[in-house]
Amino acid sequence: DQQVKQNSPSLSVQEGRISILNCDYTNSMFDYFLWYKKYPAEGPTFLISISSIKDKNEDGRFTVFLNKSAKHLSLHIVPSQPGDSAVYFCAASGLEANNLFFGTGTRLTVIP
Amino acid sequence: DTEVTQTPKHLVMGMTNKKSLKCEQHMGHRAMYWYKQKAKKPPELMFVYSYEKLSINESVPSRFSPECPNSSLLNLHLHALQPEDSALYLCASSQQRGNRPQHFGDGTRLSIL
Repeated sequence: DQQVKQNSPSLSVQEGRISILNCDYTNSMFDYFLWYKKYPAEGPTFLISISSIKDKNEDGRFTVFLNKSAKHLSLHIVPSQPGDSAVYFCAASGLEANNLFFGTGTRLTVIP
Repeated sequence: DTEVTQTPKHLVMGMTNKKSLKCEQHMGHRAMYWYKQKAKKPPELMFVYSYEKLSINESVPSRFSPECPNSSLLNLHLHALQPEDSALYLCASSQQRGNRPQHFGDGTRLSIL
């Protein structure tokens, strides 16, 4: 059973606007969450992470929000750029972090 | 450019062949991982090495045999694979086990004839 879910397989956004990618998880033992970006024919590239002791982490244009009570996290990209077009994976892990549980990904298209 | 290098990028092999996938990182990371990714699915963990010792084997069939000869190298030896083993094999590394981001290579796309 999928412990990390990304219910939107695709998202299209105009250049300059905000992109919001969502992720839900079911395992309350997860305490570390990450977002990866993947271009075709490349491996996932780490973008940003958040520990469960925080509810927000910001890095440049990328902000991740965590709502533990709702078991939900989101990635905000603002302003969106055409180079952001890629597949975005949400991932989660427990204390040991031996295993990253990935969502199925959301394909973001930023329209110039 | 990725800091985790995987070779080869593509591999086609028959079910009776023996081949190896190679992964290399020079970031001083002490944990290394093998993942398998099927089309339109998320990556799934296969093995974890921590300080060159195998610490996790996620019930992977014995036709996959990992090896960590030193802290920078991780191999995956393949023998007698099945067509359903065709997938993208991703290597990752992190500073150590624990809450650290894993950095991925670009993967080896494996096709079993």
